[in-house]
Amino acid sequence: NAGVTQTPKFQVLKTGQSMTLQCAQDMNHNSMYWYRQDPGMGLRLIYYSASEGTTDKGEVPNGYNVSRLNKREFSLRLESAAPSQTSVYFCASSEGDVGGIYGYTFGSGTRLTVV
Amino acid sequence: AQSVTQPDIHITVSEGASLELRCNYSYGATPYLFWYVQSPGQGLQLLLKYFSGDTLVQGIKGFEAEFKRSQSSFNLRKPSVHWSDAAEYFCAVGARSNDYKLSFGAGTTVTVRA
Repeated sequence: NAGVTQTPKFQVLKTGQSMTLQCAQDMNHNSMYWYRQDPGMGLRLIYYSASEGTTDKGEVPNGYNVSRLNKREFSLRLESAAPSQTSVYFCASSEGDVGGIYGYTFGSGTRLTVV
Repeated sequence: AQSVTQPDIHITVSEGASLELRCNYSYGATPYLFWYVQSPGQGLQLLLKYFSGDTLVQGIKGFEAEFKRSQSSFNLRKPSVHWSDAAEYFCAVGARSNDYKLSFGAGTTVTVRA
C-alpha cells in the first residue's frame, strides 16, 4: 500500500549512542516532516523539508540532524542520545511545495527509549 | 505564532451517545484546520479538514466539525459513538505565514464504555 514507511518500529539506546531513523514515502510528495510525540504535549515539529535538497528547523531541533536523501527519503539522526529524547517519532509527508494544505500522511511511528 | 488548545484531556462517553471534542486555535487570519485520530500504537489518520467555504465539514467515520471564526473554534462531533471510536484525537492548525507547517494540540483521549 502507498504511504509513509518508518524504520525501525522500536529501539532502545544507551545514553550517548547514536542512531538514524529512516523514513520513506512513495506518494511523490514534496514536503516531509519529523515530529516527536510526548504525553500531554501533542506532536512537536523537529525538522522539516519543503522540497528535495532543503531542510529547516522546527520547534524542537536541538540534539537532532536530518538528511533529505532524495525526494522519497528523509532521515533523522540522533548523534548522542539523551534520556530526554525518549519519545515516539513520527515521519509525515504532504503534497505541495510548502506544506500541509491538504494534510499530512503519517508513518506508524518509531518508539525510542534512551536509558 | 499559531497555537492550538484542546481543553479536554480525557472524555468518557457511552456507546451510542453523542461526542463533541473541543478545539480552539490562535491565529490572526483564516487558518487551515484539521482533525486527526490516533488508535493505540498507530500513526495519525486524517479525519477531516477545513480550508474555506462551508463552515460545517464532513469527514470519515461519521465525524463532522464546525468552524466558528467568532469563537476561534473547530469542534469535532459525532452523533452516535461506536466502541471503535476509542482513540486519541488531535486538532491541528496550519497557516500560510508559517509555510503551512502544522501545529498540533495536546490531544483528547476518548474512552467508550459499553
